[in-house]
Amino acid sequence: ETGVTQTPRHLVMGMTNKKSLKCEQHLGHNAMYWYKQSAKKPLELMFVYSLEERVENNSVPSRFSPECPNSSHLFLHLHTLQPEDSALYLCASSQTGGDEKLFFGSGTQLSVL
Amino acid sequence: AQRVTQPEKLLSVFKGAPVELKCNYSYSGSPELFWYVQYSRQRLQLLLRHISRESIKGFTADLNKGETSFHLKKPFAQEEDSAMYYCASRGRNFNKFYFGSGTKLNVKP
Repeated sequence: ETGVTQTPRHLVMGMTNKKSLKCEQHLGHNAMYWYKQSAKKPLELMFVYSLEERVENNSVPSRFSPECPNSSHLFLHLHTLQPEDSALYLCASSQTGGDEKLFFGSGTQLSVL
Repeated sequence: AQRVTQPEKLLSVFKGAPVELKCNYSYSGSPELFWYVQYSRQRLQLLLRHISRESIKGFTADLNKGETSFHLKKPFAQEEDSAMYYCASRGRNFNKFYFGSGTKLNVKP
């Protein structure tokens, strides 16, 4: 499969659960991103990994914990979330120093009960 | 911090009418500006960027540094242009893309 793949597509979790979102890119890119898309709000940049190092943590609460084990995979570990964390979480990748444009996944629609 | 503002949440036009989606940015340096589009049931994708000075699907956008704007224009809208449009900027830290809140374009037959 090509492009950026996110799993699961939908996730419902309670506030005490621990879950993880997964993102995989097959484009050979060296930068990966997590964005949060809430209704009627701009896409919020959460985390940026470049060459597997976190280069941006945009004041995200510690209940969100990213992990980038290699340049093709990105995870977002979730624990003790709040209902206001319900949103669409988008993963993206790009090639720093190259084309630079973002390629997005389809997103994970998260509902926190 | 960089900010990208899209003042219109919804823009409805008739087929064949001109369309302009507004975008203003706040950045003191020389940002790169982009327009991304999301069609129904599809993922967000790049439409065009200012450095390319290209026309994609009939859309153009000109960077106006004096007005700090990057409005997206098309002279004759088509029904298939109906989608969510997001303006984005990227500054000195090339890994940070900032998006506006989006404008939903509805082209009526």
